[in-house]
Amino acid sequence: DVKVTQSSRYLVKRTGEKVFLECVQDMDHENMFWYRQDPGLGLRLIYFSYDVKMKEKGDIPEGYSVSREKKERFSLILESASTNQTSMYLCASSLLAPGQLFFGSGTQLSVL
Amino acid sequence: DQQVKQNSPSLSVQEGRISILNCDYTNSMFDYFLWYKKYPAEGPTFLISISSIKDKNEDGRFTVFLNKSAKHLSLHIVPSQPGDSAVYFCAAIYEGNRKLIWGLGTSLAVNP
Repeated sequence: DVKVTQSSRYLVKRTGEKVFLECVQDMDHENMFWYRQDPGLGLRLIYFSYDVKMKEKGDIPEGYSVSREKKERFSLILESASTNQTSMYLCASSLLAPGQLFFGSGTQLSVL
Repeated sequence: DQQVKQNSPSLSVQEGRISILNCDYTNSMFDYFLWYKKYPAEGPTFLISISSIKDKNEDGRFTVFLNKSAKHLSLHIVPSQPGDSAVYFCAAIYEGNRKLIWGLGTSLAVNP
């Protein structure tokens, strides 16, 4: 079974803090994705990566950056957290792009 | 402009009855459709998919129907069980685009 692991289930941070969300997958997938989910807005793609050190902006990249130094790890960075970044963050991976996504359990981030 | 639309934000069904979740799309280039199920505080999990060259795909209690002329697909759950209560997302793919295109989801409640 594919396993996508997100480092934290719940995080509470203060406005202006730099926040790192980590994601690791164990199936040698080429493609990794970061989404956020908000009530009534569905799943919105922040960034994705189709290879090590490669990244592409998704639909809502503003205020975020990403890092993929190793194939299995994809990090989402909030350079200066703001209250409107309070959300559920979901990491996913896939073998093909486009293709079936496998999701982690999510990180509920609260920015106070 | 939403290319994948789930027009019903919520649906309530009695246990044992059929649940029908609907999804409409606008892009005729979509060639693959997927349904995901999401419980609160968890990541989405893949449920069932269908290629655009088919009109039906069945997996146990779950069947997806595709009507290409109407640009419409539906997910049927028979019989519905309380454990099916979740948010269901419809997503679509077209070749050459690395991203899934998501609907906003339908929250299904199956009442005992």
